[in-house]
Formats: sequence, C-alpha cells, structure tokens
Amino acid sequence: EVQLVESGGGLIQPGGSLRLSCAASGFTVSSNYMSWVRQAPGKGLEWVSIIYTGGNTYHADSVKGRFTLSRDNSKNTLYLQMNSLRAEDTAVYYCARDLPGCWGCFDYWGQGTLVTVSS
Amino acid sequence: DIQMTQSPSSLSASVGDRVTITCQASQDISNYLNWYQQKPGKAPKLLIYDASNLETGVPSRFSGRGSGTDFTFTISSLQPEDIATYYCQQYNNLPLTFGGGTKVEI
Repeated sequence: EVQLVESGGGLIQPGGSLRLSCAASGFTVSSNYMSWVRQAPGKGLEWVSIIYTGGNTYHADSVKGRFTLSRDNSKNTLYLQMNSLRAEDTAVYYCARDLPGCWGCFDYWGQGTLVTVSS
Repeated sequence: DIQMTQSPSSLSASVGDRVTITCQASQDISNYLNWYQQKPGKAPKLLIYDASNLETGVPSRFSGRGSGTDFTFTISSLQPEDIATYYCQQYNNLPLTFGGGTKVEI
C-alpha cells in the first residue's frame, strides 16, 4: 500500500529554518516524480517544488533560493529544507507522488504537516 | 505562469442535482488538466487526470471534459459525500498551478 507520512512542521520565527520530511512506503521515491504542495490557512493549493527521477529540482518563484528539495534513497524519504522563512510561508505542507505516466498528476498525498511562521 | 480561473467559487445544490464547474486557463494547456476533491482537514484526492480520465476507484458520476483553455467538471448526481472543495490544476508546464477552488454545499 502506498503511503506518505510528513513530519517536521511546527512553530518557527521569521528568518528561521525548518526541514520537512516525507517518508514513503509501498513504492520507491527515486523512481517517481515527487512534489510539495502547500495550503495557507483557509486558502487554496499552491505548488512549491518538484524533484524528478534524475534528481533535478524546480521551485515556485515564491520559494526559489530559500527552499531546497532532496531525497535519501536509502531511507526512501523526501526532504524540504526551508530557510529564511516568512510569515507568508505559513501553511500545511503536503508531499505528493506523481501518477506514473502522468507527471504533474498527484495520485497520492501525505496527511500534511503544519508550518507556522510567527514571532 | 499559467493562471487557472475557476467558477463559481461556491455553489449550493440539492442531492441528485447535476453540478458543473468550469476552469479556464490563461493559455492553451492541451488536455493537461486535473481535478481534485478536498474535504475539510484532508489532503486533496485526484479525481480526473488528462482532462477526462477517471482515476481508479472514483465513482462514474464524476466526469471532465475540455481541451485548450476551457474545461468543465461535472457531478451527474450530487451525493451527500460529495460535499467538498474542488480544484482544477494544470500541468502543461512549470510552475504547476491550481484554480482558486469551488466549494460545493448542499
């Protein structure tokens, strides 16, 4: 059974750093495109970052230069390193797997982890 | 960036009603369009991909159509469990972008 479990969220001061983890089971992270999508409280969905099977990563302009996406194949885990956090980064962060054969189609999502940036 | 405009932003319908949501892209995205359902406090769920393909396990009362810039999502007979917010999303190119959502109520 495919499962994604995020962790690492919490309350952080503006300018701080946080690393989110997404532990996968039931499939191999490195064999799939994987993304992070966030949702600010009461707002819609915003795509954040993607990592391709080859390891290339791309980010939304809103986080470019501040967020880094990586994976640990031995742990089958995806990471989102978030630096220079701002109040507008406050959101529930979901990791999501691309439907095989349909990049950009998220067929499995984690339960989400809440990041609150506030002093 | 490709802007996705969804309408209406909310609607109220009765059980058994046919419900239609529209999504317009700011440029041609071919059929690279998905529809998701999100219930309160839950992660989104993929319903339709490639504009019209029903994801495995999704009831057939859900359907999608369209190509280019104009797309529609339909629930043929609204059920109580369909109460949720629905989002369209384009994957023609990066950044991936979502519509603003349509909240469906009974």
